[in-house]
Amino acid sequence: DSGVTQTPKHLITATGQRVTLRCSPRSGDLSVYWYQQSLDQGLQFLIQYYNGEERAKGNILERFSAQQFPDLHSELNLSSLELGDSALYFCASSDGTATNYGYTFGSGTRLTVV
Amino acid sequence: DAKTTQPPSMDCAEGRAANLPCNHSTISGNEYVYWYRQIHSQGPQYIIHGLKNNETNEMASLIITEDRKSSTLILPHATLRDTAVYYCIVPSASNTGKLIFGQGTTLQVKP
Repeated sequence: DSGVTQTPKHLITATGQRVTLRCSPRSGDLSVYWYQQSLDQGLQFLIQYYNGEERAKGNILERFSAQQFPDLHSELNLSSLELGDSALYFCASSDGTATNYGYTFGSGTRLTVV
Repeated sequence: DAKTTQPPSMDCAEGRAANLPCNHSTISGNEYVYWYRQIHSQGPQYIIHGLKNNETNEMASLIITEDRKSSTLILPHATLRDTAVYYCIVPSASNTGKLIFGQGTTLQVKP
């Protein structure tokens, strides 16, 4: 157990639907990062939050959005789902210090769009 | 991030040392070298990082050349459970803390 909790572990949904992925960071960590990993693809950075505020954005589609709540958990919302959105979605956390790149990753949510 | 170059794949015999190289010739003086690994479909795992001195922890050793243009991650006694994709990353301070993963090296440990 890494200390970063992601739910659900698996999700199967139909095209056009909307889903929410949840991440609870490791205790004491203020930053949350979301990554997408499609089949046989690399890890793509989506977005980062620090203490409730968006800090950095990567290759995140407009159909995707995220937020971090006062208790520091984060949610990634994916809407108008397409087959190509099928992927592993990882959440990571860190203390958010600008020079600390020692992230702790969760075990991921596997999303299958049918 | 400073560009890193890693071989796409390597093999290692179980029980032997695995030496994974990484080139980062454009690294700046204050940029660290980080290593992560990802065992199939699991979340990436932080291994080790360093600036200029060699570093060792319970998982691995990191050797950084004196000119800092390359480094080697050493797994001293590789086991089958070390089979994974290994990523060498040099984060840029301008990236506000986000890690950008490249393609990494797929290490296959063979019995």
